[in-house]
Amino acid sequence: DIQMTQSPSSLSASVGDRVTFTCQASQDINNYLNWYQQKPGKAPKLLIYDASNLETGVPSRFSGSGSGTHFTFTISSLQPEDIATYYCQNYDNLLFSFGQGTKLEI
Amino acid sequence: QVQLVQSGAEVTKPGASVKVSCKASQYTFSIYFFHWVRQAPGQGLEWMGVLDPDSGTTTYAQGFQGRVTMTWDTSTSTLYMDLSSLKSDDTAVYYCARVPLGEGHVDSWGQGTLVTVSS
Repeated sequence: DIQMTQSPSSLSASVGDRVTFTCQASQDINNYLNWYQQKPGKAPKLLIYDASNLETGVPSRFSGSGSGTHFTFTISSLQPEDIATYYCQNYDNLLFSFGQGTKLEI
Repeated sequence: QVQLVQSGAEVTKPGASVKVSCKASQYTFSIYFFHWVRQAPGQGLEWMGVLDPDSGTTTYAQGFQGRVTMTWDTSTSTLYMDLSSLKSDDTAVYYCARVPLGEGHVDSWGQGTLVTVSS
């Protein structure tokens, strides 16, 4: 099974900051990596798919990069509504695996 | 707008089974797979398995094999997840999730169903 490791597990930042966190795969996963945002009591929301593609309707301050085993998620200018937990997710022939999440606080 | 509408919260006892439903409105034949993902209180997302509604083929995560059954009712476009031999650490919110054919990301989630296992 492919293991996904996110870091850090939590992060505190200020409004307007550039925020970056990472997701590491236990083996080469090409670009099969998605990023979701989850707010308390809500289902996750897709932000980035296939490592770097911005989902329709998602603000352009969100971005993703990487390939192989190392991936990065960036918020260029943190907004108050971005407070949430962020998960990376790999897909391998219909099988999913999630990272443990990065909780973003202001 | 396609919606996935799940059944309501459940309270059940250890050793029992629970069946959660997920109705897909405006389902279009042959272009989606459906997954189940759960989230224990204060914890992360855990993938449980996937179902191809056209063939009925399922693939389950290793930790759930033998305990979970996912099925599809074509007549009502409803997905079901049956989890047996429940333990207290099965207490979680269970989500159904839709993935377009050929893609690896979820484009629509159910609202979640809280299952509480308690004696």
